[in-house]
Amino acid sequence: DADVTQTPRNRITKTGKRIMLECSQTKGHDRMYWYRQDPGLGLRLIYYSFDVKDINKGEISDGYSVSRQAQAKFSLSLESAIPNQTALYFCATSDSPGNIQYFGAGTRLSVL
Amino acid sequence: AQSVSQHNHHVILSEAASLELGCNYSYGGTVNLFWYVQYPGQHLQLLLKYFSGDPLVKGIKGFEAEFIKSKFSFNLRKPSVQWSDTAEYFCAVNDGFSGGYNKLIFGAGTRLAVHP
Repeated sequence: DADVTQTPRNRITKTGKRIMLECSQTKGHDRMYWYRQDPGLGLRLIYYSFDVKDINKGEISDGYSVSRQAQAKFSLSLESAIPNQTALYFCATSDSPGNIQYFGAGTRLSVL
Repeated sequence: AQSVSQHNHHVILSEAASLELGCNYSYGGTVNLFWYVQYPGQHLQLLLKYFSGDPLVKGIKGFEAEFIKSKFSFNLRKPSVQWSDTAEYFCAVNDGFSGGYNKLIFGAGTRLAVHP
């Protein structure tokens, strides 16, 4: 089983719909991250969390919200999806600042 | 703000050719440096990292990278590429010593295609 699991792997939704992307990890790491990947732009940080009570905005948090339900679970929500949120979304974890981040397989989201 | 520049967006090589992908970063302090690889349809995987010590680091699958502090560079190299190296490569920098959250900044990526 993968250490960092994202569900769903693919999602097509319509403009205005609320959707949730889920991430769970078995690595026991405190730090979790959500990124989006767009062609030619690399990965950009949406939100990050150091522990269950610590949530922080990344560089592109507008239009997104997150929930850290447990050490192992970190969900990303799009409250009202719009087409420019069409992207590949990655969850990642790490055990300490500056250290390696481990990525999930990604969720490909299309907003029509 | 910190930034990471990858100079080559697309690289096309024949098998057995040598590879060098450029990466420059803007942060002037102590940094941790990473190269990640994303094979088609897969998640990002760590290729190699530099935290301290020998500036020439070796990673998986015959890749290596050299940290040159004076040039703010961390270029990735491989002497002889294979078709299976076809992937997208991301350079990333973490200013791991600034306290609080240590942001991992990614370059835009370099898409490598290796032809048999």
